[in-house]
Amino acid sequence: GAVVSQHPSRVICKSGTSVKIECRSLDFQATTMFWYRQFPKKSLMLMATSNEGSKATYEQGVEKDKFLINHASLTLSTLTVTSAHPEDSSFYICSAPRGGVDDTQYFGPGTRLTVL
Amino acid sequence: RKEVEQDPGPFNVPEGATVAFNCTYSNSASQSFFWYRQDCRKEPKLLMSVYSSGNEDGRFTAQLNRASQYISLLIRDSKLSDSATYLCVVRPPPFGANSKLTFGKGITLSVRP
Repeated sequence: GAVVSQHPSRVICKSGTSVKIECRSLDFQATTMFWYRQFPKKSLMLMATSNEGSKATYEQGVEKDKFLINHASLTLSTLTVTSAHPEDSSFYICSAPRGGVDDTQYFGPGTRLTVL
Repeated sequence: RKEVEQDPGPFNVPEGATVAFNCTYSNSASQSFFWYRQDCRKEPKLLMSVYSSGNEDGRFTAQLNRASQYISLLIRDSKLSDSATYLCVVRPPPFGANSKLTFGKGITLSVRP
């Protein structure tokens, strides 16, 4: 079964609105979660690393004021796309490492954002 | 040089064919290696980890050559259900319990009847 969930799975919004995406680890605690973006026919690009209890670490070229990340608990990270524009339309995916002897990162099912 | 580079695609093969994907990585200190599978409009899912000794899971065989910084995936007796994008994934330093992964661009496989 799924170990990481995301909500919503799909969102369509008007330009200028803000959209919040939630990522939850379902049966384990995650001090770190990762947020990726994937444009059609392109690779996953890491946007930021979400750290529980501290500030997120953003990759080069990703605007931290545009993509707000909050890791409020050990099972929840949120990504807010502020003042969304059509060029922000993409597939946003989170992942969380289970840790311990399990080296795997588990991905959420993704959120498809369309900004009109 | 890109951190993770995969063969350009796409691959279009008949059912039953054997297909091989190759991948190279730039950071020789990288420690963990994976192949993920991504279906259209879905999230990536782990297909298999890749070890220096090579590992096999049914019709899938993965190999790692650290000296050449090269990873491969072999799919034997391909099925229609193998049609997907295959992502080569590497964990470069710095390491830790929550270290990042680097993804290749992916190669799309289409298996035809």
